[in-house]
Amino acid sequence: DTGVSQDPRHKITKRGQNVTFRCDPISEHNRLYWYRQTLGQGPEFLTYFQNEAQLEKSRLLSDRFSAERPKGSFSTLEIQRTEQGDSAMYLCASSLGRAGGNEKLFFGSGTQLSVL
Amino acid sequence: DAKTTQPTSMDCAEGRAANLPCNHSTISGNEYVYWYRQIHSQGPQYIIHGLKNNETNEMASLIITEDRKSSTLILPHATLRDTAVYYCIVRVTSGTYKYIFGTGTRLKVLA
Repeated sequence: DTGVSQDPRHKITKRGQNVTFRCDPISEHNRLYWYRQTLGQGPEFLTYFQNEAQLEKSRLLSDRFSAERPKGSFSTLEIQRTEQGDSAMYLCASSLGRAGGNEKLFFGSGTQLSVL
Repeated sequence: DAKTTQPTSMDCAEGRAANLPCNHSTISGNEYVYWYRQIHSQGPQYIIHGLKNNETNEMASLIITEDRKSSTLILPHATLRDTAVYYCIVRVTSGTYKYIFGTGTRLKVLA
């Protein structure tokens, strides 16, 4: 399977705990995106990387969220001191970025987070 | 905020063409129109994209009006497996490469 891989598929945690999700993009894809999706809503942009550089973070993203992409390969998204409002599907996507916006995003199946 | 407007939901009979409209009246000249769909519990799936000309691939056709203020995604022969939420996205290109999703159109294909 050469698609975008996310781990774990499901995570249940207690409020106040830290959680970390991993995303393995399609090999050689230079751009990697994180999105969050709640029931009935479209995916909400969180952040994206070009290679190892984090180029943009959503203003809605609290300081409890941090993402990394060491060496420009896999990426991790960490949420510290989780809150019940963090319960959502966390989606990762990758693309082979081209100038001018002519590219396709490939999404993983997501990590479903439930904060109790 | 999303730069597109789509109907909340649509129904289509199996075997018929599904025509999904999208308004993007503030689109800029260098911004692409993208369509993705999301089947329950899965990540969004790329369908098609275009800039000015109409496009066709194995999944669908994309018709963009001459003024580029609206577009239509056409699924030529809808099947039950096409039941999904369809998102029309105008790619932001003002110094960023992020995609802004709206709430999409929930398409239900009826047997």
